[in-house]
Amino acid sequence: EPEVTQTPSHQVTQMGQEVILRCVPISNHLYFYWYRQILGQKVEFLVSFYNNEISEKSEIFDDQFSVERPDGSNFTLKIRSTKLEDSAMYFCASTDGGGWGRVYEQYFGPGTRLTVT
Amino acid sequence: RKEVEQDPGPFNVPEGATVAFNCTYSNSASQSFFWYRQDCRKEPKLLMSVYSSGNEDGRFTAQLNRASQYISLLIRDSKLSDSAIYLCVVDKGGGFKTIFGAGTRLFVKA
Repeated sequence: EPEVTQTPSHQVTQMGQEVILRCVPISNHLYFYWYRQILGQKVEFLVSFYNNEISEKSEIFDDQFSVERPDGSNFTLKIRSTKLEDSAMYFCASTDGGGWGRVYEQYFGPGTRLTVT
Repeated sequence: RKEVEQDPGPFNVPEGATVAFNCTYSNSASQSFFWYRQDCRKEPKLLMSVYSSGNEDGRFTAQLNRASQYISLLIRDSKLSDSAIYLCVVDKGGGFKTIFGAGTRLFVKA
């Protein structure tokens, strides 16, 4: 069964450093998402991406964050100048469709646990 | 009113019990509705989409009431393996953003 993969599974970084979280979505999927989940809290939408551009982003997704699809398979989230409060689990998700304002079923990767010290 | 609101639980039920979870959403323009489950420190896994006509998948039944902006999930004949957090997910209406509820925790005991 096709699955979304994410690397690394755990990333430890020092405050102020830049990190890149990597995701490989399911191969025929077209819409990609990043979410974060702070320990003990709910899953929060960060950004959606389609056709090589951001479709929608949340208030959390400020200039500190960026996304990229550098090739036909990877989808990355870059966090610049990390802060302690960026410590969270970051999930990537993908879906094979969408449109007319409707979100299709999303399939999630196993997540990257980011720890900022 | 929260965008997506769920009863946090926890629900503690014996094996074989029937349990129902409720979820309300605030945006009447929302069009996509889902139930996911999340095990401890794992990713959300799609349980089922929710349609106006209601849908069933084995022991799981989901219902949507657009007029009341309410979604439900019914689990029949609970198994130990059903123990998890159940997440109600709704799109924000007119875009590619999804909003997760805080989840309802279920414990099924032998």
